[in-house]
Amino acid sequence: GAGVSQSPSNKVTEKGKDVELRCDPISGHTALYWYRQSLGQGLEFLIYFQGNSAPDKSGLPSDRFSAERTGGSVSTLTIQRTQQEDSAVYLCASSSAGTRSNEQFFGPGTRLTVL
Amino acid sequence: QKEVEQNSGPLSVPEGAIASLNCTYSDRGSQSFFWYRQYSGKSPELIMSIYSNGDKEDGRFTAQLNKASQYVSLLIRDSQPSDSATYLCAVKGGNNRLAFGKGNQVVVIP
Repeated sequence: GAGVSQSPSNKVTEKGKDVELRCDPISGHTALYWYRQSLGQGLEFLIYFQGNSAPDKSGLPSDRFSAERTGGSVSTLTIQRTQQEDSAVYLCASSSAGTRSNEQFFGPGTRLTVL
Repeated sequence: QKEVEQNSGPLSVPEGAIASLNCTYSDRGSQSFFWYRQYSGKSPELIMSIYSNGDKEDGRFTAQLNKASQYVSLLIRDSQPSDSATYLCAVKGGNNRLAFGKGNQVVVIP
């Protein structure tokens, strides 16, 4: 079946602008995660949604970052007043409930460049 | 101490040889361990998951877990040029998030 999809694949924006990144998880997956990967850095956890529970926002680096998940499926990560240090690849992953709930599958990512 | 450490530098192996990658983790309560492969410019791809002490084999890949020593390793047998990539070790904590190491680059030389 279809994997995790993300849009846009690339986004170039000017410093101070707001951006929205979209993630569509694998159908039936109840858990959705956002990570980011900066050049030369490891993957950094941002936020985690599980079903209808309150999201785990503990990885968000500042209050300029927010995310929502509508209808338990599609998620949008919003970065307000973007800064150059926000430039990174933003990766979304999803996982299912059940015995393989630990396995997270990644989308292709959105490469964000803040000029 | 970082949550997940992969300390080795780039690993160059001849085609057909065994590539060996190691990873240590700090949270003794961790129960789930994963190896992801990431080609340049691409997103991570899950290649192995391991939950119990010992070895788990899948094709040319073998994951090894030793919870007492808090390390997990990945062996790639009969290395192929298509195995050239960065390999990321990931450990799942109690909060369901994955903690990743910085990765090991593997270069398979034909």
